[in-house]
Amino acid sequence: DGGITQSPKYLFRKEGQNVTLSCEQNLNHDAMYWYRQDPGQGLRLIYYSQIVNDFQKGDIAEGYSVSREKKESFPLTVTSAQKNPTAFYLCASSRYRDSSYEQYFGPGTRLTVT
Amino acid sequence: AQTVTQSQPEMSVQEAETVTLSCTYDTSESDYYLFWYKQPPSRQMILVIRQEAYKQQNATENRFSVNFQKAAKSFSLKISDSQLGDAAMYFCAYRSAGSGGGADGLTFGKGTHLIIQP
Repeated sequence: DGGITQSPKYLFRKEGQNVTLSCEQNLNHDAMYWYRQDPGQGLRLIYYSQIVNDFQKGDIAEGYSVSREKKESFPLTVTSAQKNPTAFYLCASSRYRDSSYEQYFGPGTRLTVT
Repeated sequence: AQTVTQSQPEMSVQEAETVTLSCTYDTSESDYYLFWYKQPPSRQMILVIRQEAYKQQNATENRFSVNFQKAAKSFSLKISDSQLGDAAMYFCAYRSAGSGGGADGLTFGKGTHLIIQP
C-alpha cells in the first residue's frame, strides 16, 4: 500500500537534547512538508521541500532543521534551540508542479520534551 | 501573507441534520485553492473537499458541499445528513497556485470541533 510513514508515534526526550522525527513516503511524490500542531491551533508549516537536495523555511522554522537526500525521505530534527518543542508533528507530501493536488498526511508523531 | 479564519471553535448538530461550518480567508492573490480537511480522534488528516478559485461552480462530494464566495473571500462547508462518523475537527486550508507550480505549504485555520448528537 502506498502512503506516508512517520515513526515513532510517541517520542519522549529530555530538554536540551536534539531529536529527529522520521518521515518516509512511497507515493513517488516530489514535494514533502512538515507541520506542527498545538492544542486549539491549526497546523503551521515548519519546512517544505519541492525536490531532492532543496528545501525552504516555512512560517515557524526557528529551532528546526531538515534534510532531503532522498525523494522518499524528509527527516525533521528538533534542536535544543526550539523553545517549546512539545507538540504533534505531521508530515505530508504532494505532487510537484500542480498545486491542485492535495497533500497526503502521515499519522503524526507526538513529541513530549520534559 | 495569507490568513484563514474559522470563527466557530465548536459546533453541535443532531444526527441526520445539516450543519454548515464557516471559513473566511484573506489574500491578495487571484489564483489559489481551498480545502477542507477532517481530523478525527485518530489525528489522521483526511481531505474532505477541494475548490479551485477559478471555478465558479461549488464543489460537491457526496454529503459534503461548499459555498464558495470569491468576492467575499468565504468558503463554508455544508454537511448534509450528518452521521456519527462525521464527528471530528474540521480545518479550512488555503494554498497559493504560485508562479513556481505552487508546491508551497498549506495555510490552515484553527479548526472547528464538530459534535454529532445521536
